[in-house]
Formats: sequence, C-alpha cells, structure tokens
Amino acid sequence: GQNIDQPTEMTATEGAIVQINCTYQTSGFNGLFWYQQHAGEAPTFLSYNVLDGLEEKGRFSSFLSRSKGYSYLLLKELQMKDSASYLCAAMDSNYQLIWGAGTKLIIKP
Amino acid sequence: GAVVSQHPSRVICKSGTSVKIECRSLDFQATTMFWYRQFPKKSLMLMATSNEGSKATYEQGVEKDKFLINHASLTLSTLTVTSAHPEDSSFYICSARAGEYQPQHFGDGTRLSIL
Repeated sequence: GQNIDQPTEMTATEGAIVQINCTYQTSGFNGLFWYQQHAGEAPTFLSYNVLDGLEEKGRFSSFLSRSKGYSYLLLKELQMKDSASYLCAAMDSNYQLIWGAGTKLIIKP
Repeated sequence: GAVVSQHPSRVICKSGTSVKIECRSLDFQATTMFWYRQFPKKSLMLMATSNEGSKATYEQGVEKDKFLINHASLTLSTLTVTSAHPEDSSFYICSARAGEYQPQHFGDGTRLSIL
C-alpha cells in the first residue's frame, strides 16, 4: 500500500534549527511536496523535490533521497510564527498526492 | 504566486440545507482541482478530484450524490453539499494545480457548521 510517515509532534526553541523527517512508500513516484498549515487555516506550499539533493529556499530547505524513500524539511533561525503543522506529501504514478498526517511543530521562546 | 480563492469562508445553516462552495484559480488555469475535508487535528482527506469538463473522480466512501462537484471552466470548480446534516460539519478546502508536476495551491477553506 501507499504510506507516508512523519513524526506527530516536535518541539524546538526560537532561533534554533529543526529537521522534520518524512518517509514514503508509493506506487510510482513523481516528487515530494512540503506544505505548512497553521491551525484553522489551509495549507500553503513550501517546496517540491523530484531529484535527489537539497533545495534551499530562504530559511527553509528540503532534501530528498529517492533510493531511501526519504525526505526532510529543515527550518533554520526558527521564529515563533513557524509554529504550525508541516505536511509531507508524495506524488504517486497517477499524479495524486499521498498525504502524511502532518508534524505539529511547537516553537518555544 | 499562485492564488486560489474559495468562497464562502464560513457557513452556518440548518440541517437539510444545500450549501455551495466555490473555488477559483485567480491567476492560472487549473487543469485539475481537488476537494478535501479536514476534521480538527486530523490530516487532509481527499474527497474528489475534478478535471475541467469531465466528471469528478470520488474517493472511496465519498457519496457523489451527496457532494456534487462541477468543474465548468479552467478557473472554477464548485462543491455542493446537498441536504447537509450535522455530521457534514467540517473544514472543506479546495486546491488547484496548473499541471501534473505543479504544486497544488489551496484556497482558504470553508468552515461548514450544520445546526
């Protein structure tokens, strides 16, 4: 079957760095997406990886290893506003997104 | 960036009412639109996928006669919750994408409360 695994919750300190991991198993693979979702709001797109390696976008970076079925989202210089759920989603061979349950990130001052 | 507008943002109505939710892509043509449902502190649940000009594909367990989807143009899809009941109360979110390898961009969601 198809499956996405990511931690349920993580806690980090303001100004620090945090890495949110995601492993996936899908029928075919057409890329890995990360979204941010604040409580009570819709998700917003953060990143898309289809090739192995690290994609950097400001304070956020996303990494993909296709051979390992693994991705991570790296958040640097954490700010209080980064408190949110981070959703990992893999695109299968039918171009459908398989969603993880999300990782709730709590930032403490 | 890509903008998706969803309207209304909140609906409160009586049981038995039908509710229509609109989803528009404002600055791109959406070949595919998606409708999701999300319960508090739960993950997104895909309800259906719609392509412009064709019938929507519903996920298992989603009643197509209950949740009517129309994707009349490349910028507009609508979801109608027919004869809504309290158990239909939820956060409904649409998304749209310009192509298969493009990210889905989400509307702001519609919070539906059926009394």
